[in-house]
Amino acid sequence: DAKTTQPNSMESNEEEPVHLPCNHSTISGTDYIHWYRQLPSQGPEYVIHGLTSNVNNRMASLAIAEDRKSSTLILHRATLRDAAVYYCITKTSYDKVIFGPGTSLSVIP
Amino acid sequence: DTGVSQNPRHKITKRGQNVTFRCDPISEHNRLYWYRQTLGQGPEFLTYFQNEAQLEKSRLLSDRFSAERPKGSFSTLEIQRTEQGDSAMYLCASSLQGAGEQYFGPGTRLTVT
Repeated sequence: DAKTTQPNSMESNEEEPVHLPCNHSTISGTDYIHWYRQLPSQGPEYVIHGLTSNVNNRMASLAIAEDRKSSTLILHRATLRDAAVYYCITKTSYDKVIFGPGTSLSVIP
Repeated sequence: DTGVSQNPRHKITKRGQNVTFRCDPISEHNRLYWYRQTLGQGPEFLTYFQNEAQLEKSRLLSDRFSAERPKGSFSTLEIQRTEQGDSAMYLCASSLQGAGEQYFGPGTRLTVT
């Protein structure tokens, strides 16, 4: 599984969009890009995943660069409940998830 | 769908004691995973099952750790002769084979004194 690089922390104002970047320059053609988030004192929560095309769901959008070496998780309107650690993961299979340290997102009221 | 449940939520034990944790996955999920998470770190993979078969074990899973999923439903994780370094959050997740996303339980926080 490819290594990912994310900023350690980010801040956002409430009700503004948040763009969380992730670099995965060694990603292979069959690696999927997954995002999970972990709220304080909870287990991780699946957010979204994609392969090549941009993806949208009720929680977020995933924008994948054309060369697939980077991606961005977009939260369209940050709320206080979105304060969490966000993990970007690349996976060649549907097996274990290899977590890095993630990005700690703070949302300012 | 009640989600993944784990019991107990908290466990305090003395060094050298054995502990056992239970995970109940989402009912139709045939894959079950165990992870360990220490403070400030992302979760680390320990092992996973497909139905009752244990298909992969991490090098983190020392001989003192054993996991079972006897009927392909719930799973147990046992730690024998606990050490202070075993203090962590133990997370369980489940998924459907072929599905990308895993669903995590709330975890069991183990404190070894």
